[in-house]
Amino acid sequence: ETGVTQTPRHLVMGMTNKKSLKCEQHLGHNAMYWYKQSAKKPLELMFVYNFKEQTENNSVPSRFSPECPNSSHLFLHLHTLQPEDSALYLCASSHLGSYEQYFGPGTRLTVT
Amino acid sequence: DAKTTQPNSMESNEEEPVHLPCNHSTISGTDYIHWYRQLPSQGPEYVIHGLTSNVNNRMASLAIAEDRKSSTLILHRATLRDAAVYYCILRDLLDAGNMLTFGGGTRLMVKP
Repeated sequence: ETGVTQTPRHLVMGMTNKKSLKCEQHLGHNAMYWYKQSAKKPLELMFVYNFKEQTENNSVPSRFSPECPNSSHLFLHLHTLQPEDSALYLCASSHLGSYEQYFGPGTRLTVT
Repeated sequence: DAKTTQPNSMESNEEEPVHLPCNHSTISGTDYIHWYRQLPSQGPEYVIHGLTSNVNNRMASLAIAEDRKSSTLILHRATLRDAAVYYCILRDLLDAGNMLTFGGGTRLMVKP
């Protein structure tokens, strides 16, 4: 238990669906991150939020839309995804400037 | 970002020490060396980090070469629970964005 929770843990969605992934941290951190981990590829940073402001968008397609309503919650809104978007989506948090990020267990997404 | 090179996989016997190497020949003077590991079906977790001097904590030791072009993560007595993918990551001290760039890592297998 790292103090970072993600829901749902597993999600299957069709290409025309809209769904959202949720991340919550109970650590008092002020930075939150979305990562994507595809099979046989390294973890890829998608988005970074510092103090609820997006500071990094790593050339992510617009069918992925992040939202950070407060420093404890982070969402990833999904719409019209492709099968190649199937992956493990990981959320992490940290204190700004800290060397240590705390990761959640991830959401395993399958797009059919 | 400076790049790291790690073996794809390593094998160890339970109760024996494990030395996981990492090469980072293009490291800059302000790059910290971080190690994370990812246990099966979990998100990555922080292991240790260092700049120039060797470091010890309850999980592992980090030995850094004098020229800083390589480092070694040392697990003093491997257990079956240490089976994971170990990532060696460089992070610039001057990077205010807290970004971690993961490579392929080393998959450590521990035999009973």
